[in-house]
Amino acid sequence: GAGVSQSPRYKVAKRGQDVALRCDPISGHVSLFWYQQALGQGPEFLTYFQNEAQLDKSGLPSDRFFAERPEGSVSTLKIQRTQQEDSAVYLCASSNGRKGGAFFGQGTRLTVV
Amino acid sequence: AQSVTQPDIHITVSEGASLELRCNYSYGATPYLFWYVQSPGQGLQLLLKYFSGDTLVQGIKGFEAEFKRSQSSFNLRKPSVHWSDAAEYFCAQGASGTYKYIFGTGTRLKVLA
Repeated sequence: GAGVSQSPRYKVAKRGQDVALRCDPISGHVSLFWYQQALGQGPEFLTYFQNEAQLDKSGLPSDRFFAERPEGSVSTLKIQRTQQEDSAVYLCASSNGRKGGAFFGQGTRLTVV
Repeated sequence: AQSVTQPDIHITVSEGASLELRCNYSYGATPYLFWYVQSPGQGLQLLLKYFSGDTLVQGIKGFEAEFKRSQSSFNLRKPSVHWSDAAEYFCAQGASGTYKYIFGTGTRLKVLA
């Protein structure tokens, strides 16, 4: 597609509920990133994929967070047993090389109540 | 650890005035550097990027940035600000040895009519 697409745009989850956030990257982009952005903060790295391989998951805050990209295109970020501190905007980005920078989707705003 | 510093949390300028947003990076070798803009409720849009060559880079929307190795800086500039430039601006660096991008905490720009 023309840009990175994320769905849903907004998600309200009750504490303890599992959620799944979807990212559709720019067609042909090898690299895919997930970032978490708390209110008033810059994006914080969560995880990185090169095609279907998850090469870096050092930013995932706990084992409740899981990401996958099984066919090297669409990616899903799953959060199990959501907690209030998980409330944030989750941004997905794709890239065709380090020098080009990353192109971001509009994000999914997750609110845990 | 690598980091990106944006010293100014908020900046207010009058429409038509010049603008400079500061950014300092921590990595010593030539880094990959980027500026992004984020409007409320939106994802991040890439304004410009630098990885080598001419230290003054031009971007979209009339923005430019200058890489100064001696000062570890990559400041964003615009000669004449428009009301539509009001947004949050993030400086980012490509992290050494990985593919992830490290972001600063952002500078919120307010434009007075």
